Amino acid sequence: NAGVTQTPKFQVLKTGQSMTLQCAQDMNHEYMSWYRQDPGMGLRLIHYSVGAGITDQGEVPNGYNVSRSTTEDFPLRLLSAAPSQTSVYFCASSDTGLAYSSYNEQFFGPGTRLTVL
Amino acid sequence: AQSVTQPDIHITVSEGASLELRCNYSYGATPYLFWYVQSPGQGLQLLLKYFSGDTLVQGIKGFEAEFKRSQSSFNLRKPSVHWSDAAEYFCAVGANPPRGNDMRFGAGTRLTVKP
Repeated sequence: NAGVTQTPKFQVLKTGQSMTLQCAQDMNHEYMSWYRQDPGMGLRLIHYSVGAGITDQGEVPNGYNVSRSTTEDFPLRLLSAAPSQTSVYFCASSDTGLAYSSYNEQFFGPGTRLTVL
Repeated sequence: AQSVTQPDIHITVSEGASLELRCNYSYGATPYLFWYVQSPGQGLQLLLKYFSGDTLVQGIKGFEAEFKRSQSSFNLRKPSVHWSDAAEYFCAVGANPPRGNDMRFGAGTRLTVKP
């Protein structure tokens, strides 16, 4: 298993440009999520999905869109990038409809470092 | 909503010395508590978690953590640090029982290991 994969690893955008961060998992996990990591702030949840066709907002959803057409993929779209979206983005998945429980955990991808100029 | 504080932004220890990373949480009952490690350029890896039972939790890589309800703390410890332990460590708290995705992460503690 490749686990959770993310592409690209690095990206530089200009303000106003759009792009999609890709996330895929090959573990047949129901739950997938996107976080952003900013210095001094830890990880904050952007959007999550408990299964194909189902998505919901997290703590910081503004400026981001998601969809979940398959179990494997959970892309994150920035429609009009802003400098405030400069961050490291992590995708994660777990094998139930929850991020965590007594018997499961989230598995994280390696991250995408995004800079918006 | 629950929250978590990691008071130390950066800690430096010598190789072979003991380590304790602090974590304090805010939650009305017994939460889920987690410690993750992030090596440079990598994603987060779960070290250990607590949700009930024995308050001393053993994790991977020789780490352990102790839940202290009276102090609202969940400190991470290791008796002898190795150079490979240099990384960033995140404490996280979640509702118990789990609801949606309500895990909250601390700001992290960066660990430097001196030879």
